[in-house]
Amino acid sequence: DIQMTQSPSSLSASVGDRVTITCRASQSIYIHLNWYQQKPGKAPNLLIYAASSLQSGVPSRFSGSGSGTEFTLTISSLQPEDFATYYCQQSYSTLITFGQGTRLDI
Amino acid sequence: EVQLVQSGAEVRKPGESLKISCKGSGYNFPNYWIGWVRQMPGKGLEWMGIIYPGDSDTRYRPSFQGQVTISADKSTNTAFLQWNSLKSSDTAIYYCARRSGLTGPFDYWGQGILVTVSS
Repeated sequence: DIQMTQSPSSLSASVGDRVTITCRASQSIYIHLNWYQQKPGKAPNLLIYAASSLQSGVPSRFSGSGSGTEFTLTISSLQPEDFATYYCQQSYSTLITFGQGTRLDI
Repeated sequence: EVQLVQSGAEVRKPGESLKISCKGSGYNFPNYWIGWVRQMPGKGLEWMGIIYPGDSDTRYRPSFQGQVTISADKSTNTAFLQWNSLKSSDTAIYYCARRSGLTGPFDYWGQGILVTVSS
């Protein structure tokens, strides 16, 4: 399996902060990297696909970058509704794998 | 509007069988992969397997191979996840999700089904 490692595992921030979450793959996945947001009791929601493409309907304060083995998700100015858990996921391999998640708290 | 609607919460005893469903609407169901993702209590997301309803091509994560069966009925636009003998460790929320292409993201998700296995 391709291992996906997110850092940090948890993060405390304030409304208006700029936040960056990192995801590293155990081997090159080119740009086959997606980011999801999950709020408690809800299904995950796709934010970013193909490393840097913003999913329709997702606010522009979310952005993604990277290629190969290192990727980042940036939230430019945190809003109250952004406090959630974020997961990266590689879709390069047939065996899909997720990162362990990053919990973003106030 | 694309929707994936999953069946309701289930409670079973260890050793019992179970089949849960995921019904797609608002798109050409046979032409998109449907994946299943497990989330154990308080834990992260774990991909279990995926099926292409058009031809029933199915792939499993090795740790789930032989433990569950993924199937689909393109005549009713429904995908299924089935267990023959549940264990208490199968207690989790199970999500279905549509995949946009074989290397694409999961762009639409079902609401999730809580499966509780307890004696």
